[in-house]
Amino acid sequence: ETGVTQTPRHLVMGMTNKKSLKCEQHLGHNAMYWYKQSAKKPLELMFVYSLEERVENNSVPSRFSPECPNSSHLFLHLHTLQPEDSALYLCASSPEVFMSSGNTIYFGEGSWLTVV
Amino acid sequence: DAKTTQPNSMESNEEEPVHLPCNHSTISGTDYIHWYRQLPSQGPEYVIHGLTSNVNNRMASLAIAEDRKSSTLILHRATLRDAAVYYCILRDLTGANNLFFGTGTRLTVIP
Repeated sequence: ETGVTQTPRHLVMGMTNKKSLKCEQHLGHNAMYWYKQSAKKPLELMFVYSLEERVENNSVPSRFSPECPNSSHLFLHLHTLQPEDSALYLCASSPEVFMSSGNTIYFGEGSWLTVV
Repeated sequence: DAKTTQPNSMESNEEEPVHLPCNHSTISGTDYIHWYRQLPSQGPEYVIHGLTSNVNNRMASLAIAEDRKSSTLILHRATLRDAAVYYCILRDLTGANNLFFGTGTRLTVIP
């Protein structure tokens, strides 16, 4: 138990569906992140939020839409995805945005997404 | 382009020490060296980090070369639960809010 909870753990969706991934952190952190992990590739940072404000968007397609209603919750809304978007989506949090090299990031267990 | 270089895989016998190497020849003077590991079907978890001096915690030890261009994660007695992918990480200077994970070292522990 890392203090970062992701739901659902597994999701299968069609290319025309709309679904959402949810993340909740119980650590009192101010920063939250979405990462994507595809097979045989390094983790890719998608979005960074600090105190509910998006501070980084790494050229992610608009079919991925993040939402951070408060500092404890983070959503990733999914719409008209492609099969190549199938991957493990990881949520993470840290005390502050990772500007300081000494910060530690805490990851959730991830949501396995399959687009059919 | 990778900021760190690690062997793709390593094996260790159970109960024996494991030394996982990492090269980071382009490290800047203020960058911490982080190690995370990812067990099967889980998200990465923090192991240890350091700047210049060697570090110890309950999970592992981190030995940092004097020139800081390489480091070694030391698991003192490998257990089957230590089988994972181990990532040596630097802060990604192209994005101040990111860690660059690379592809890591897959550690297999043999009973």
